[in-house]
Amino acid sequence: AQRVTQPEKLLSVFKGAPVELKCNYSYSGSPELFWYVQYSRQRLQLLLRHISRESIKGFTADLNKGETSFHLKKPFAQEEDSAMYYCALSAARRDDKIIFGKGTRLHILP
Amino acid sequence: KAGVTQTPRYLIKTRGQQVTLSCSPISGHRSVSWYQQTPGQGLQFLFEYFSETQRNKGNFPGRFSGRQFSNSRSEMNVSTLELGDSALYLCASRLSGTKPHNEQFFGPGTRLTVL
Repeated sequence: AQRVTQPEKLLSVFKGAPVELKCNYSYSGSPELFWYVQYSRQRLQLLLRHISRESIKGFTADLNKGETSFHLKKPFAQEEDSAMYYCALSAARRDDKIIFGKGTRLHILP
Repeated sequence: KAGVTQTPRYLIKTRGQQVTLSCSPISGHRSVSWYQQTPGQGLQFLFEYFSETQRNKGNFPGRFSGRQFSNSRSEMNVSTLELGDSALYLCASRLSGTKPHNEQFFGPGTRLTVL
């Protein structure tokens, strides 16, 4: 069964400090991983996906199949990064459901 | 393009009642998924509909059901409401058929309160 684990419910980081939001997954096949973000009073939206290997708003995430992890990182936190972050997984076959973790609230301290 | 819309935005019901929530996907999107969002459990997948057929299903009891119409609009129904059904219900749509279109576009949600 597919499972996504985000071990931290809340992460507080000072502005300018590095950020790492942890995500571990369980899936026997080949996964597709995503990070979604929900800013205050806004809709949940896609931040990035591992297949694109891109950096969005300074965030990057690398899929580590050996450790079954997809941690989200940013070298220097900004106040506007405060939000709820969800890691999500889908089987790498067409049209599979997308399963989300429980989310981590990132709070950037001034 | 207009985003995903959900109606109503807020609902208050009592235990034992039933409720129907509605979702209109982005034009051209044929897949609609429903999620239950709570502070303790995060986002839990309910089901996904594509071309009027349920394509994927989560682990919710049979009291939770849904359907999709020919214009891709979807409804979700919860019967015999329980206090624990109080949550934000999110609808998401996506293009389907090719992997690069796996991105989900979410609606604002319907806040259901069961008293």
